[in-house]
Amino acid sequence: KNEVEQSPQNLTAQEGEFITINCSYSVGISALHWLQQHPGGGIVSLFMLSSGKKKHGRLIATINIQEKHSSLHITASHPRDSAVYICAVSLAEGSNYKLTFGKGTLLTVNP
Amino acid sequence: SQTIHQWPATLVQPVGSPLSLECTVEGTSNPNLYWYRQAAGRGLQLLFYSVGIGQISSEVPQNLSASRPQDRQFILSSKKLLLSDSGFYLCAWSRGEKLFFGSGTQLSVL
Repeated sequence: KNEVEQSPQNLTAQEGEFITINCSYSVGISALHWLQQHPGGGIVSLFMLSSGKKKHGRLIATINIQEKHSSLHITASHPRDSAVYICAVSLAEGSNYKLTFGKGTLLTVNP
Repeated sequence: SQTIHQWPATLVQPVGSPLSLECTVEGTSNPNLYWYRQAAGRGLQLLFYSVGIGQISSEVPQNLSASRPQDRQFILSSKKLLLSDSGFYLCAWSRGEKLFFGSGTQLSVL
């Protein structure tokens, strides 16, 4: 079983819709990252969370340490949000950035 | 500003040939450096990480090696490529809460 599970694997939405992508993990972690990978492969770090909630523009990330669960929300989605969103965790016993990755969620936002 | 350069963007190599992928970082000092591989349909897998010059940790036994000859230079190498080495290779660096990825190299071994 993968230590980091994401759902859904694929998500198609209409422009303007509210998007939620979920991430569950099975081990103790020191931090969780949400990453965005555009076609062509480049990856951008969106958030690093160890507790609570963070917001950046239309993106909101939350984490519940007790439930080992995190969500990434996109408000008022736009076609330019189309990308693969990847959840990754730093294991509690590992060095800070030895990340374990989920397989990603492919988001397509149609105009 | 902090940037990370990775090259080449694409590479087609025959089985048995050597490999050298280079990654350089600007705008920071003493970063942690990483090489990841993303195989088709699978998540990113950590191959190597380095916390300082000459310090390399390998996560997965394989046909590849890494070196860090300078503080902001990280090199991924192979003496003889295998078909299974094909994939998308990403370099990354981190320091504190900052985490940046290179643009990746798509390697096809034929």
